Amino acid sequence: QVQLQQWGAGLLKPSETLSLTCAVYGGSFSDYHWSWIRQPPGKGLEWIGEINHSGRTKSNPSLNSRVTISVDTSKKQFSLKLSSVTAADTAVYYCASRLENWLDPWGQGTLVTVPS
Amino acid sequence: DIQMTQSPSSVSASVGDRVTITCRASQAISSWLAWYQQTPGKAPKLLIYAASSLQSGVPSRFSGSGSGTDFTLTINSLQPEDFATYYCQQAKSFPLTFGGGTKVEIK
Repeated sequence: QVQLQQWGAGLLKPSETLSLTCAVYGGSFSDYHWSWIRQPPGKGLEWIGEINHSGRTKSNPSLNSRVTISVDTSKKQFSLKLSSVTAADTAVYYCASRLENWLDPWGQGTLVTVPS
Repeated sequence: DIQMTQSPSSVSASVGDRVTITCRASQAISSWLAWYQQTPGKAPKLLIYAASSLQSGVPSRFSGSGSGTDFTLTINSLQPEDFATYYCQQAKSFPLTFGGGTKVEIK
């Protein structure tokens, strides 16, 4: 049974880089893809991107140039960096595991605020 | 990108009611569709995958149907814990995309 625990800075200034990490407990790390999703306050869900255990990444073209997703298999952790943040990047950020094509389970979420 | 459109955006219902939520894909996605439930302040939870398969541990009052472009989530005999927001997600191609959500509210 996979469980995810995420952390990272919750308050950023415009132009700074968002940095979040998600630790994986249980399950076989190499069986899954590891995703990031975000949700602006009161709004819907946006898939940011994912990585597998060998470091192969996919990302949303809407954010592609600003997103870096990395993995540390020795620690069973994966990370998200989003550069040059603005107020539009204010959201709850979730990590999640993807087996086949379904996102389950999800981390607890981290609210990242970028004041305008 | 595949666009996912949910309707209605909100629905008011009472305990014991049947609620139906629809999701339409902008192009055919076969059965590559999931449904998630989100309660306030919590992460989404997978309910249904492959359009109609019930995730382990999810009550049988939840069911999904459809294929191609049109899908339905049905909640039979609504329970107090079912008042939440529901999202569909297509898994046919990247980027993965979600519907805008349907909020099920207490009448």
